Parts: sequence; structure tokens; C-alpha cells
Amino acid sequence: AQSVTQLDSHVSVSEGTPVLLRCNYSSSYSPSLFWYVQHPNKGLQLLLKYTSAATLVKGINGFEAEFKKSETSFHLTKPSAHMSDAAEYFCVVITSSGSARQLTFGSGTQLTVLP
Amino acid sequence: DAGVIQSPRHEVTEMGQEVTLRCKPISGHNSLFWYRQTMMRGLELLIYFNNNVPIDDSGMPEDRFSAKMPNASFSTLKIQPSEPRDSAVYFCASTEGSFKLFFGEGSRLTVL
Repeated sequence: AQSVTQLDSHVSVSEGTPVLLRCNYSSSYSPSLFWYVQHPNKGLQLLLKYTSAATLVKGINGFEAEFKKSETSFHLTKPSAHMSDAAEYFCVVITSSGSARQLTFGSGTQLTVLP
Repeated sequence: DAGVIQSPRHEVTEMGQEVTLRCKPISGHNSLFWYRQTMMRGLELLIYFNNNVPIDDSGMPEDRFSAKMPNASFSTLKIQPSEPRDSAVYFCASTEGSFKLFFGEGSRLTVL
């Protein structure tokens, strides 16, 4: 069994300040971890992914995330928020066993960026 | 690259009517996923196909829901009969096997 917990349903930051979106997971297998972003009325777009290579992963638009196995965390960060970052962010865990995949989405974190 | 194409983008129907949502995955992708997104339950995986074969349909809520993938370039999600609680945004996603999912822009369904 696996699960994903996004610890904050809403995060509000001022433009130019750091962003931290928290994600914890549990998985019986070695997981692949992803962050997706969803802008209003749009599909989900991949921000970044961790698939057992470097634990610090850099994504698009200045976002990065660090895989910490000891803490079972994969928090998403950005040094300086931009107004265009306002969106909903999903943490996703994927494990694979043979041809079967198990995907689990977190409940999402709504990021608001204040001017 | 056209991306994952879903149709219709918006559908408004009355309770009891049949609804068919369509998805064209990215050419060359061998896995296709259907998701439902609601405010109450977030994103839920309904079903996924690998090489046109349904692998896991445990997320399909009930027998009113059915999905098919007759070939590698087309899939449908059908709801018959539809109910107001089916109102949601339905997303289709495809991948070539790298875990990187490409999502369509979704079909927003409203059942009155």
C-alpha cells in the first residue's frame, strides 16, 4: 500500500519570497516521486520527478525538490515566488511491479501569490 | 506534438443521459489513464490501460462507468446513466513508460 500526504491544503506567500510545499509519502516499494502543477482550467503539467538518481531534483520554472528517504519527504521549493506560480500543486507517488503501476496523488496544495 | 487530446471540453447533460468522453493519447505512448477530479475527493484514478488492455479498473466507481480502448490512438469513458454526483473534470493522460504522464486539458462534465 502507498499513500501521499500534502500537509497544507493552502499556502499563501508574497511575491519574491520563498515557496515551500510539503509532501510526505509511504510506500512498500522504491517509489518514483513527482510534482505536477495545475493552472486554472488546464490539465496537469509535470514540474519535476525523482526516479532514484540525484536526491535534489531541479524542475521547470525554478522549482526544485529534495528526496529525503529518512524523512519520507519530497518537499517542493522555490527561492522566489512569481505571480505566475499561483496554481494548484500535486505530489504523486508511482510504484511499478511488473506491468502494473500504482499511482497515488496527494490532495493538492493551492498556492496563492500576493503582490 | 499535439499532446493528449480530449473531447468534449465541456459537457452539460441531464440526469439519466449517456455521456461519452473521448481521448486521443500521444502517438507512441503505450499507457493511458483516466482520472476524475472533484473538489471533495481531489484526483482519483479511474482506470488505466497498458497496450490497449485494461490493467487496473478498481477505481471505476460503479457499473454505470465503462472505459474502452479499441486501439492505441483512442479511448472512451462512458457513463450510463449519468447522475449529478458524476459532475467533475475528467482527465486523460498517457505515457510511453517512463512514468512521465502527459495530461489532456480535461473534460468538464455537469450533470443536472
